[in-house]
Amino acid sequence: DAGVIQSPRHEVTEMGQEVTLRCKPISGHNSLFWYRQTMMRGLELLIYFNNNVPIDDSGMPEDRFSAKMPNASFSTLKIQPSEPRDSAVYFCASSFHGTGELFFGEGSRLTVL
Amino acid sequence: GENVEQHPSTLSVQEGDSAVIKCTYSDSASNYFPWYKQELGKRPQLIIDIRSNVGEKKDQRIAVTLNKTAKHFSLHITETQPEDSAVYFCAASITGNQFYFGTGTSLTVIP
Repeated sequence: DAGVIQSPRHEVTEMGQEVTLRCKPISGHNSLFWYRQTMMRGLELLIYFNNNVPIDDSGMPEDRFSAKMPNASFSTLKIQPSEPRDSAVYFCASSFHGTGELFFGEGSRLTVL
Repeated sequence: GENVEQHPSTLSVQEGDSAVIKCTYSDSASNYFPWYKQELGKRPQLIIDIRSNVGEKKDQRIAVTLNKTAKHFSLHITETQPEDSAVYFCAASITGNQFYFGTGTSLTVIP
């Protein structure tokens, strides 16, 4: 398996623009997580899906953030409108529910000017 | 929700010395405690984990200890090498769901 695949790896955009980050989890994994990493706050859990259903989105910072998982092999994290404080590395991770190990993607580095 | 605290935030050791990183957690229901290593510009990767029915686990130069009563767990790296330099994250989880991470420890091993 190729592991968790995220795109784009780097995104530079201007304030106010819409940003869409994409994730393909490892085949067979049924839990998917979106994390945001910054120097100040470390790894923050944004949202967690189990069997494509959002279980906990309490970490989503505000209404500008939304996440979807239309099927078991694809998820998106959307920011609209983007702001400079959204600049961070966004990681997607997947696991087989209840087994423990999280497998991370390479991350998407977002810069909002 | 769970709150995981990690100390120290930075740690420098001489090559060959030991390094210890400590974490505390708040939710007594947490029962799975993994440690991740993140090299510069790369993804976090699991290096060792421990479950609540075990007090200690070793894998070559790495060991993790867990004290459920005190709600703390620690990572021990012995005979450190320059390639151990990275950021280390602890995490707490309930049955492998909703992993909550500490803020990370930047370890530098000085040759």
